Amino acid sequence: ETGVTQTPRHLVMGMTNKKSLKCEQHLGHNAMYWYKQSAKKPLELMFVYNFKEQTENNSVPSRFSPECPNSSHLFLHLHTLQPEDSALYLCASSQATPGLAGEEQYFGPGTRLTVT
Amino acid sequence: AQSVTQPDIHITVSEGASLELRCNYSYGATPYLFWYVQSPGQGLQLLLKYFSGDTLVQGIKGFEAEFKRSQSSFNLRKPSVHWSDAAEYFCASQEPGGSYIPTFGRGTSLIVHP
Repeated sequence: ETGVTQTPRHLVMGMTNKKSLKCEQHLGHNAMYWYKQSAKKPLELMFVYNFKEQTENNSVPSRFSPECPNSSHLFLHLHTLQPEDSALYLCASSQATPGLAGEEQYFGPGTRLTVT
Repeated sequence: AQSVTQPDIHITVSEGASLELRCNYSYGATPYLFWYVQSPGQGLQLLLKYFSGDTLVQGIKGFEAEFKRSQSSFNLRKPSVHWSDAAEYFCASQEPGGSYIPTFGRGTSLIVHP
């Protein structure tokens, strides 16, 4: 596999379920990101990890719990979600250095989440 | 804080017509600028990027963008649109020497009529 992969591609879950989204990058990057993309809304940055350390948490509700065991893998654990959490969740990676910019992000295809 | 504005939510063009998607940034100096495309059901893919130098940047799929400092703009263009270009287009910026996390615009949805 190459690039950034995400599993599952589609997920339907009830409000009381617990599930996890998985992201894996095969690019040797050190930074990984979770974004939420809802219909008719801008792309929302949720979490950023750099060398496995969380560097950004954009006031995301605690029902979303990220985990980054190493620089290649990123998880988003979900529990007691609300219907408004239904969205496309995108994972991205980049070769990033704090204080330096200029590297583009590489995105996975996303997980389409529906909360019923 | 820097911001990126894409003034057009939707753009409709006929196949074969030319295309220009607008992007304006707010940042005192010249930021790093990017255009991404998102096809339905897919993640974002980089079309092109501008760091410095020649203000006309060539990208993939026949796209180009022109950086205009005087207008704080980085508009994306294509001379002849194909039906497969129908997608969502995002402009993004980064501050040189600042955060590596980009600021994205809201996106412009391109509709192509046959």
